[in-house]
Amino acid sequence: AQSVTQLGSHVSVSEGALVLLRCNYSSSVPPYLFWYVQYPNQGLQLLLKYTTGATLVKGINGFEAEFKKSETSFHLTKPSAHMSDAAEYFCAVSDRPGGYQKVTFGIGTKLQVIP
Amino acid sequence: KAGVTQTPRYLIKTRGQQVTLSCSPISGHRSVSWYQQTPGQGLQFLFEYFSETQRNKGNFPGRFSGRQFSNSRSEMNVSTLELGDSALYLCASSLGDNQETQYFGPGTRLLVL
Repeated sequence: AQSVTQLGSHVSVSEGALVLLRCNYSSSVPPYLFWYVQYPNQGLQLLLKYTTGATLVKGINGFEAEFKKSETSFHLTKPSAHMSDAAEYFCAVSDRPGGYQKVTFGIGTKLQVIP
Repeated sequence: KAGVTQTPRYLIKTRGQQVTLSCSPISGHRSVSWYQQTPGQGLQFLFEYFSETQRNKGNFPGRFSGRQFSNSRSEMNVSTLELGDSALYLCASSLGDNQETQYFGPGTRLLVL
């Protein structure tokens, strides 16, 4: 069975500092990996995804993530935090049991940006 | 294109009642998935529908059910509501071709008293 572990349910960074949100996964097949962001009272918005090919994936709003198979990780980074980045971030993994996708989400990490 | 819409946005019910939530996917999307989001459990997968058929199901009791119509709109129903059913219910649509990218609606916040 697939699973996702997000280290740190709450992360605080200063405005302008590096953002690093950690995600480790387990999957019995080569996974598809996702990062979503959720702002208060809204649904989830896709930040970026890894399917195949280049392991460094660039997403919206300056975020990127690197797929490291040997470490089973897909950490999300942004060089310089902005106040508008304050939100909850979800890592997700997808495999395809029986040919149909099943997406499993991590518990989420709330990012606080300190002025 | 219009995004995923969910109605109603907010709902208050009492224990024992039943509730129906609605989701309209992005035009052209044939897959609709439902998730329950709570502070303690995160997002929990309820079920996925594709072309009016339930294709995947999570580990929820039979009180939770759903269906999908020929226009891809989907409804989920919760019968005999319990206090623990209070949550944000999210609907996500995708093309359904296993390209995996899901587009989420704003959710329906259900409060059970």
